Amino acid sequence: AQSVTQPDIHITVSEGASLELRCNYSYGATPYLFWYVQSPGQGLQLLLKYFSGDTLVQGIKGFEAEFKRSQSSFNLRKPSVHWSDAAEYFCAVGAPSNDYKLSFGAGTTVTVRA
Amino acid sequence: DSGVTQTPKHLITATGQRVTLRCSPRSGDLSVYWYQQSLDQGLQFLIHYYNGEERAKGNILERFSAQQFPDLHSELNLSSLELGDSALYFCASSVGGQGAGDTQYFGPGTRLTVL
Repeated sequence: AQSVTQPDIHITVSEGASLELRCNYSYGATPYLFWYVQSPGQGLQLLLKYFSGDTLVQGIKGFEAEFKRSQSSFNLRKPSVHWSDAAEYFCAVGAPSNDYKLSFGAGTTVTVRA
Repeated sequence: DSGVTQTPKHLITATGQRVTLRCSPRSGDLSVYWYQQSLDQGLQFLIHYYNGEERAKGNILERFSAQQFPDLHSELNLSSLELGDSALYFCASSVGGQGAGDTQYFGPGTRLTVL
C-alpha cells in the first residue's frame, strides 16, 4: 500500500525567505504525486502534480516541486514567501494499482512572520 | 471558489443520531469523492462515485454510506454517530473517473460535531 510522510509538523518562515516542505512516499513504483494547500476555513486547493516526465514541476502561486526517485521524495519549494502563504500544506500520492485513491500526509503548517 | 458546494457548513448533533451531508459537484464533473479530516486520523479518503456508480472505497465505516444521484449530486449518510465521528467532511469532484489520475476540486467542507 502507498503511504506519505511529511516529517515537519510546523515550519515558521520570515516573509521574503525561501520555503521548502518535505514529502517522502512509500510505493513500489512511481506514483502520482500532489501538493495541496488548505487555508483556514477553506477546502483544499491543488498546487501542483507530478505524473511523469520532467522531475521539476511548476505550480500555481510561485510554487515548484522536485521528484527524486532515488530518495522517494517530492519536496515543495518557494523562493520567496508571502504572508498569504500561511496555511497547511498536504502532500498526497495516488496510484493506478490502488484504484487511484489519494493518500494524504499528515500536513505541514506554515507560519509566516513579518 | 472551486465550484463544488457542500451543505450544511456546520452540523451539531448527538451520539446515536443520523445525519446526511450533501455535495454538488462542479458543472460537468462526473466523479464525486468523500474525505474525512480529523485531528487523530488526518485526511482520509472514504469513497468515490463516478456517474452514479461506486468506483473505489477507502476507510469508510459500515455505519457510513453514500450515493450519487442521476443529477450527479452526492450524499454521505452517517448513522449511529459516535464522538469520534466529529470531523470535517470534504467532498471533491473531477471530470473523469480516474481518481488520483484526475485533478480533484475540493468543496469547503462540512464540519460535523457530535456531542
